[in-house]
Amino acid sequence: DVKVTQSSRYLVKRTGEKVFLECVQDMDHENMFWYRQDPGLGLRLIYFSYDVKMKEKGDIPEGYSVSREKKERFSLILESASTNQTSMYLCAGRTGRNQPQHFGDGTRLSIL
Amino acid sequence: GNSVTQMEGPVTLSEEAFLTINCTYTATGYPSLFWYVQYPGEGLQLLLKATKADDKGSNKGFEATYRKETTSFHLEKGSVQVSDSAVYFCALSDGYNKLIFGAGTRLAVHP
Repeated sequence: DVKVTQSSRYLVKRTGEKVFLECVQDMDHENMFWYRQDPGLGLRLIYFSYDVKMKEKGDIPEGYSVSREKKERFSLILESASTNQTSMYLCAGRTGRNQPQHFGDGTRLSIL
Repeated sequence: GNSVTQMEGPVTLSEEAFLTINCTYTATGYPSLFWYVQYPGEGLQLLLKATKADDKGSNKGFEATYRKETTSFHLEKGSVQVSDSAVYFCALSDGYNKLIFGAGTRLAVHP
């Protein structure tokens, strides 16, 4: 089965820091995704990538960037963390269109 | 545009009760449909899927049938357990890049 691994379950950072959230998948997924999940707002797509070095903006890309240098790794970067970026961040991968996305366990990020 | 509407929760049931969580969708074309489950403090797990009309997805006693005529994908289970307590998300794939999620329905099962 698919395995998507996020490097940290919990993370605490300070306002203004540059923050890296790492995600690794082991199933040669072409497509990878970053979401944030907030109470009352559901899951919102931040960025996605359909191949190495390719990236596309999702619904809420402001304040974030991504990096995909290798197929198995997709990093989310908070350029200058702010308190409104405190959230649960979920990474997902999938093998192709109309296929299910498989999620990691999530990173609960707190910005103080 | 594409959208998914789920019944609001929380849904509170006694153990061994019958579960239905309603899900309807709006989409162009022929989307694939999914149910995901999220246990407390964890990420989303794929529960079941259906890729075309009249398909029935099933897993762990849960079932859902892709009904194109009613644009629905209701989740059912004949006898719930305390361990089924979680948040359930209905989702559709637009065939390109996005999963469109419903807002989620919290299920609480009591002994």
